Amino acid sequence: LAKTTQPISMDSYEGQEVNITCSHNNIATNDYITWYQQFPSQGPRFIIQGYKTKVTNEVASLFIPADRKSSTLSLPRVSLSDTAVYYCLVGGSSGTYKYIFGTGTRLKVLA
Amino acid sequence: NAGVMQNPRHLVRRRGQEARLRCSPMKGHSHVYWYRQLPEEGLKFMVYLQKENIIDESGMPKERFSAEFPKEGPSILRIQQVVRGDSAAYFCASSPSAADTGELFFGEGSRLTVL
Repeated sequence: LAKTTQPISMDSYEGQEVNITCSHNNIATNDYITWYQQFPSQGPRFIIQGYKTKVTNEVASLFIPADRKSSTLSLPRVSLSDTAVYYCLVGGSSGTYKYIFGTGTRLKVLA
Repeated sequence: NAGVMQNPRHLVRRRGQEARLRCSPMKGHSHVYWYRQLPEEGLKFMVYLQKENIIDESGMPKERFSAEFPKEGPSILRIQQVVRGDSAAYFCASSPSAADTGELFFGEGSRLTVL
């Protein structure tokens, strides 16, 4: 499973767009990129998944460049309730259940 | 449509006792995964089960830990002779098929405290 690197923490203000970038230099051809969100004392929640280019859903957008060695999760107009830990995961070709949840990015949204 | 249900949400045990954590997957899901999360750390995979089968237990300690997913009833993660280092949040996730590319649905977790 490809190792991922993402910032440990980020601060933002309400209403701003937040971009969290994740590096995954050793991503395999069949790997997907998946982002999860975790609030304190809760289980992770799936946000978005992509393979290449851009994916958008009602919650976020995921940008993946052509070389797929990195990806950027974009949260539009964040609110206080978006304060959480965001995990970037890479896998699929060898079983995504073995996802390595690192320490993630701790996003703090300020009023 | 209930999500993944875990119980108990909080469990306190003294050293040497046994802890049993239960997980009922989402309706229609036959694949269950257990993860452990220590404070301020990410989740670590422990075991992957399908009904009546352990598919992958490579993340589970060899001693004191066991897991099952019987034909009827919830999946159970059992920790025998608990030690203080077992104190953690244990999360269960489920999926409708082998999670090769799809999302995992997580429960709220069971928090074990060993005194």
